[in-house]
Amino acid sequence: DADVTQTPRNRITKTGKRIMLECSQTKGHDRMYWYRQDPGLGLRLIYYSFDVKDINKGEISDGYSVSRQAQAKFSLSLESAIPNQTALYFCATSGSGTGNTIYFGEGSWLTVV
Amino acid sequence: GENVEQHPSTLSVQEGDSAVIKCTYSDSASNYFPWYKQELGKRPQLIIDIRSNVGEKKDQRIAVTLNKTAKHFSLHITETQPEDSAVYFCAVTDSWGKLQFGAGTQVVVTP
Repeated sequence: DADVTQTPRNRITKTGKRIMLECSQTKGHDRMYWYRQDPGLGLRLIYYSFDVKDINKGEISDGYSVSRQAQAKFSLSLESAIPNQTALYFCATSGSGTGNTIYFGEGSWLTVV
Repeated sequence: GENVEQHPSTLSVQEGDSAVIKCTYSDSASNYFPWYKQELGKRPQLIIDIRSNVGEKKDQRIAVTLNKTAKHFSLHITETQPEDSAVYFCAVTDSWGKLQFGAGTQVVVTP
């Protein structure tokens, strides 16, 4: 479904460039997440936000930053991209509390050359 | 923090046979255990979940079992079909309410 929208869907960028991945959701969820997927490593959490004023580091936050511009918007930035940040990035949302389903966006393929 | 281990990493089954994927976790306070299916080039999508007050849950050909004492839970797919070929991820909610994912299992159903 298009409830969680990521832009761009695909991007090739050069080493050292700044790149921003944007995410917007229409689900009305408070919680938003950015995950990175690499083959064989599953989904690893980069940053998460439980409400507009809340930002938390995940397990692999180095080299990344985020901004929660509104309840519905959560962007991920790579300040100075490097080749090992080449990966598939997913934004996700969920309701508040434990035991709430996480819904993923369609993913953004990022290649750093 | 929570540590989730998923096995096997790859699983090849004949069409019609059953597939079982197992996950173990470390935090005894975890209380929500979803399974996600990711088809090639697509996003992960929830297929079934179970909460800590339930030992088993079924939905047509898929089922999940939970053993809280041993801290493991399993996904069972019966009568496998080619469309079951995908990567499957288990996940566990940590004490902060965010999900920790296993590394995934590539399931291949051969005719």
